[in-house]
Amino acid sequence: AQSVAQPEDQVNVAEGNPLTVKCTYSVSGNPYLFWYVQYPNRGLQFLLKYITGDNLVKGSYGFEAEFNKSQTSFHLKKPSALVSDSALYFCAVNTDKLIFGTGTRLQVFP
Amino acid sequence: DVKVTQSSRYLVKRTGEKVFLECVQDMDHENMFWYRQDPGLGLRLIYFSYDVKMKEKGDIPEGYSVSREKKERFSLILESASTNQTSMYLCASSLPQGIMEGTEAFFGQGTRLTVV
Repeated sequence: AQSVAQPEDQVNVAEGNPLTVKCTYSVSGNPYLFWYVQYPNRGLQFLLKYITGDNLVKGSYGFEAEFNKSQTSFHLKKPSALVSDSALYFCAVNTDKLIFGTGTRLQVFP
Repeated sequence: DVKVTQSSRYLVKRTGEKVFLECVQDMDHENMFWYRQDPGLGLRLIYFSYDVKMKEKGDIPEGYSVSREKKERFSLILESASTNQTSMYLCASSLPQGIMEGTEAFFGQGTRLTVV
């Protein structure tokens, strides 16, 4: 079965520190992988995606993600967190339909 | 910019009522989707459509139906609302074969439905 796992319900980080939000996937074939962000009372906004090519993908707001085929992971990263990055983050994998993880709440403290 | 508009931000309905959630997109996308979002469960696909008058069941279609009479509009229908359908409902659209081939989906603001 195709699936996406986000093992952390919440990630806390101090402003200015690097952040990582974890995602692992299980699919057959080549995966198309996505990260979305949701701010309070808002819909989901696309951040970045991996289709093929370079394993390090750069996206909006300074975020990047690293695709690791051997570990079946697609972790979201940012070198220096901002308080305004605090939001709910979803990893998703595209097979015959878009499957989402359960989400990770990122809290960045001043 | 792509705009996906859901007709209501908040709705309160009574158990047993028939409920319509409307979604309109302005980018001529063939694909449209309805998800529900619940804490700890992420987003779960209810129904999707790849073309006018076409619909496919997602992972949790029970208790729901959909209508796509025009390309830009995709309606979610709760035939007889129940309290376990209290949730955030999100509509999305994408380019042709977009989601299947890696093109991102665009989401509406969401409708928070409470069934009492």
